[in-house]
Formats: sequence, structure tokens, C-alpha cells
Amino acid sequence: EIVLTQSPGTLSLSPGERATLSCRASQSVSKNYLAWYQQEPGQAPRLLIYGASSRATGIPDRFTGSGSGTDFTLTISRLEPEDFAVYYCHQYGSSPRTFGQGTKVEIK
Amino acid sequence: EVQLVESGGSLVQPGGSLRLSCAASGFIFSDYWMNWVRQAPGKGLEWVANIKQDGSEKNYLDSVKGRFTISRDNAENSLYLQMNSLRAEDTAVYYCARSPGSLGYWGQGTLVTVSS
Repeated sequence: EIVLTQSPGTLSLSPGERATLSCRASQSVSKNYLAWYQQEPGQAPRLLIYGASSRATGIPDRFTGSGSGTDFTLTISRLEPEDFAVYYCHQYGSSPRTFGQGTKVEIK
Repeated sequence: EVQLVESGGSLVQPGGSLRLSCAASGFIFSDYWMNWVRQAPGKGLEWVANIKQDGSEKNYLDSVKGRFTISRDNAENSLYLQMNSLRAEDTAVYYCARSPGSLGYWGQGTLVTVSS
């Protein structure tokens, strides 16, 4: 099983600032099958990024995914009020699929 | 518009059983792998199981193997999760989600509480 470790656990930033979220895998993610999701309180997760760097339909270009192998990053270039939420990385290259424990982006 | 609507969650005693359903619409259900993902209260996401388009391949989280069974009815555009021998640690919101690959569409979830 691939263990995904996200850091930091919580990121305290102000609107307009840049957010950098990390996801590290315990072994290489096959074909860079790594996705990022955003989850707001009481809501289902929303797909942001798939294949490590491809933006899902309708996702603003301030969200950028990068990385390969075992190290992946989600960057939010300028935080909007609606971006304060919890973010999860997810590998779907091998079974069982696994998720990171999440990074909470909170308003400073 | 793709829609996934879960139902069947409730309060159940430890050792009990429950069957969750997910009604799909807005896409050709039989073309897609389908998944169940759960989230314990205040915790992160945990993939539970998935099933191939024709039901011929199924995969499970180790901790639910032998207790949970995923199935589908393509004629009814429905996904199911039969949960037996339920434990307190199975308490969670259960989401159905569509593959392939990344989980592009999710339902709103149904709450399963295992408690005496």
C-alpha cells in the first residue's frame, strides 16, 4: 500500500497570498496517477487536479499541480476567499487507492 | 448533468448489516468503474471498494474484505454496498464516486453510524 503524507497539516495564510501544499508518497506513484481534491465543510470533495498536473474541468488556473514519482505539489497562486478549505492528495495508480491525511488552508 | 445520489445510511448496532445504494444519472453508467469512499467524522478520506463496468472485477480495502460486498445493476443505473458485521470504526459518511482514474464526480454522501 502506498502511504501519502501531506504537509503541512495546517497552512495559515491571507487572501491574495500563495499556498504551497506538499504530498509525498512512500513509493513511486505509477504513471503519476496523483489527484488533488478540495473539500469544504459539509460538502463532498471536488476534483481539482488529475494526472499530477492536469486541471479538471472548470478549475481556475490559479490551481497548479506539479511533481512526479514520489513528490507532488499543489500551488494556489493567489488565495481567494473560497479557497480556504481542506485539500487531499490521492493516488490511483495502484490498489488499494489511498489518500493523504489532508492539509487545511485557513485564514490567517 | 452527472448526478450521484446515495441512500440507505442509518444507525445500526455493532454486528449488524446495512445496504447502501447510489443512483446514477446523466451519464452512461455501464461505461464507468464506480467507487465507494468513506469519511469518518472529523477525519480524512478512505477508499473502500470499486467495481468494473460489467461487475467482473472488484477491489476492496483490506479492513472491509469479507464483510463488505460491492455490486451494481447497470439496467437500473445503480451501485450498491452491502455491509455486514459492522463495527464502530465503520462509522462514516459513505460517498459513491465515478472513475476512471481520478474521482471526478461524487455524491453528497450517506451517514452510517455503528453504535449500541
